[in-house]
Amino acid sequence: GAGVSQSPRYKVAKRGQDVALRCDPISGHVSLFWYQQALGQGPEFLTYFQNEAQLDKSGLPSDRFFAERPEGSVSTLKIQRTQQEDSAVYLCASSLEEEYEQFFGPGTRLTVL
Amino acid sequence: GNSVTQMEGPVTLSEEAFLTINCTYTATGYPSLFWYVQYPGEGLQLLLKATKADDKGSNKGFEATYRKETTSFHLEKGSVQVSDSAVYFCALRRGGGSNYKLTFGKGTLLTVNP
Repeated sequence: GAGVSQSPRYKVAKRGQDVALRCDPISGHVSLFWYQQALGQGPEFLTYFQNEAQLDKSGLPSDRFFAERPEGSVSTLKIQRTQQEDSAVYLCASSLEEEYEQFFGPGTRLTVL
Repeated sequence: GNSVTQMEGPVTLSEEAFLTINCTYTATGYPSLFWYVQYPGEGLQLLLKATKADDKGSNKGFEATYRKETTSFHLEKGSVQVSDSAVYFCALRRGGGSNYKLTFGKGTLLTVNP
């Protein structure tokens, strides 16, 4: 079956622009996660959704980062007024429930110039 | 807090060589431990896991044993193949309730030459 998909795969933004990154989880997966992976680093947790409820946003680095999952399926991570330090790969993962295996998408590589 | 330290790369081996990638962790309680693999252009995939002390996770010829006394979860494979070339991440998920967050190491790039 289809895995987790993310779009776009690559995004180049000028500093100060807003960007929106999309995640399509595996159908039926209740839990959805966003991670940020800086160059040469492991992924770091950003936020967690259970259905449409955002239960944990403790990893979001600033109030410029906003995530939503309005219908409990597709999720969007929005970054306002992008900065160079936002350059990273943004990974989305989904799982059947929060304690089950997380399946990762291929990521969106964001480059802020 | 929780943290994972894994062997710095890159690691370059010849086909059929023995592989070890070291991983140690710091965590309270009894975390679950994982190895993920990232092939070029693909998403992270779970390679193996162990959920309690002395458990051995294994998959595709890779093995790792959860050693609580040394807080380690080293990845091993007896004979690597070119197709094993990838980035390997050690990760933990703490025990107890609301234990959904994965904490990752920095990753180790493995290149296997024919």
